[in-house]
Amino acid sequence: IEMTQSPSTLSASVGDRVTITCRASQNVKSWLAWYQQKPGKAPKLLIYQASILQNGVPSRFSGSGSGTEFSLTITSLQPDDFATYYCHQHNSYSDPWTFGQGTKVEIK
Amino acid sequence: QLQLQESGPGLVKPSETLSLSCSVSGGSLRTNSHYWGWIRQPPGKGLEWIGSIYYSGTTYYNPSLKSRATISADTSKNQFSLTLRSVTAADTAVYYCARRLVGRGFDPWGQGTLVSV
Repeated sequence: IEMTQSPSTLSASVGDRVTITCRASQNVKSWLAWYQQKPGKAPKLLIYQASILQNGVPSRFSGSGSGTEFSLTITSLQPDDFATYYCHQHNSYSDPWTFGQGTKVEIK
Repeated sequence: QLQLQESGPGLVKPSETLSLSCSVSGGSLRTNSHYWGWIRQPPGKGLEWIGSIYYSGTTYYNPSLKSRATISADTSKNQFSLTLRSVTAADTAVYYCARRLVGRGFDPWGQGTLVSV
């Protein structure tokens, strides 16, 4: 299953509302997670099952979608949010779990 | 608090075997509904899932690695390991170990270890 994120790069300002899209080549139901990664650090789980916020993640992050279309929204971008974001599907044990190619959120 | 830590050589010669271990503290490999996995990230690139081992011992692999990968667990040491055979320069990456609960994403992750071929 291929995961395609858009855009690849997003330029935004503090306080902006930003949305990242992830499309799956096949139906992955709601088995979709989102991660944030900063340079030199391991990814951090933000959202799982498409829309459930991981404990400790700020409520300005939200996820939606099911099937083949998903989105991650940050309602008011904070300085700490400039990072790369990845989607990840884990729908099936017979197909490899795959990540999107990443979306870099940079300062405008 | 669950913590994972990768260890292993930082340099492997082409055609040889890469071996990494992940030590788990603050939790047990035998815990129900836990997957323990390996993910890698080539420099400047995205994430690739290598494979996972379920708490029961069942393993799952990414077919793109063409059967070069083996994941095993040593419950007496609370460690799980990755072996990747016949490495090439394309296997140069930061290798992460991580836990995944059934129905959830990978969390937490180890800090990652860079392996150069």
